[in-house]
Amino acid sequence: KQEVTQIPAALSVPEGENLVLNCSFTDSAIYNLQWFRQDPGKGLTSLLLIQSSQREQTSGRLNASLDKSSGRSTLYIAASQPGDSATYLCAVRGATSYDKVIFGPGTSLSVIP
Amino acid sequence: GAVVSQHPSWVICKSGTSVKIECRSLDFQATTMFWYRQFPKQSLMLMATSNEGSKATYEQGVEKDKFLINHASLTLSTLTVTSAHPEDSSFYICSARDSLYGYTFGSGTRLTVV
Repeated sequence: KQEVTQIPAALSVPEGENLVLNCSFTDSAIYNLQWFRQDPGKGLTSLLLIQSSQREQTSGRLNASLDKSSGRSTLYIAASQPGDSATYLCAVRGATSYDKVIFGPGTSLSVIP
Repeated sequence: GAVVSQHPSWVICKSGTSVKIECRSLDFQATTMFWYRQFPKQSLMLMATSNEGSKATYEQGVEKDKFLINHASLTLSTLTVTSAHPEDSSFYICSARDSLYGYTFGSGTRLTVV
């Protein structure tokens, strides 16, 4: 059974810092991994999608890496801003495109001005 | 990119009544949609998988008679919370699978049962 964990559970950093969020999964047979952002009381916004054959994806100040063999993904945020404050969720899809998505518990990020 | 529209964004209802939540894929066809529930400060828990033209598949522990799911077209899935009680108060989110974009999520519905 796939289990997804995220470390740390919460993180508070001063504005301008670079930071790394971690996601681990127990079953390396995944189809893809997706990072989401969730603002309080809101839905999810997709940030980056990494297919199983890819090692990383970049979008602006965000970079996500994937190491399937070790069951890990990291989300790197460069030059953090107060607007980055949110909960970040990673989600892993099972071995095929028809498999369910399992979410991690999330990392709550607070960027202090 | 793919867009999923979810309505209403929030609803307050009396205990014992039913509430319907709609999830629409706006610019793509979604043969499969998913319904999640999220309790405060917790992650998303999959409730059921909705397949167009067939019965939904419910996760273990989810009451299918309480949470009715209908996926009558390739762009619309509905979740009806029947005979709602205060313990059903939660944040409900739908998502649709698009092979190009992965999973696209709706904006969520905050249900409060009083």
